[in-house]
Amino acid sequence: GAVVSQHPSRVICKSGTSVKIECRSLDFQATTMFWYRQFPKQSLMLMATSNEGSKATYEQGVEKDKFLINHASLTLSTLTVTSAHPEDSSFYICSAPGRSGELFFGEGSRLTVL
Amino acid sequence: GQQLNQSPQSMFIQEGEDVSMNCTSSSIFNTWLWYKQEPGEGPVLLIALYKAGELTSNGRLTAQFGITRKDSFLNISASIPSDVGIYFCAGRAGGTSYGKLTFGQGTILTVHP
Repeated sequence: GAVVSQHPSRVICKSGTSVKIECRSLDFQATTMFWYRQFPKQSLMLMATSNEGSKATYEQGVEKDKFLINHASLTLSTLTVTSAHPEDSSFYICSAPGRSGELFFGEGSRLTVL
Repeated sequence: GQQLNQSPQSMFIQEGEDVSMNCTSSSIFNTWLWYKQEPGEGPVLLIALYKAGELTSNGRLTAQFGITRKDSFLNISASIPSDVGIYFCAGRAGGTSYGKLTFGQGTILTVHP
């Protein structure tokens, strides 16, 4: 299957700082990528749809000014958690669709805000 | 909105046993996907289903797209310790391949040697 890579896999930051997470499709182009958030032992919650060349589409209840998404190229989307607070600590996972509509996920990024 | 009910929530089985889990939706889906997630990692695609009635295998795993298009099941035969993880079903109701997925709550599988 297609490969999606995330970086960093783990990040610890102080409250009030901003953190950027990168998501790359390594062997295919992705005009659309999806960002998910996952709490321990829970399912994946879609945060936003990242669109190459246009603004991201955010799900209801997700603050777009808090979670900035930039789809810089056909192989790269970034999620920036701005002014992070402890409640933003979570597992963030990106994904990109394959040709048949299946989603391929990155390895995930564990954010811990102190 | 669309809802997916996945069951069971958790399973504790002995190595060698067969496992079955399923998902039902409140609306019709045109794609069903099954994923496995291990701790600290992203979900990995196991099986993708695109047609009602479709039965697909991937090694010891078999999944079916329900004929009503509102359900799917995943079977694991002769389980081994490395099958441990969380299994998620996911479905898509939209007509495009880029439509959003709805995820089930997950089934936590524990396999005792």
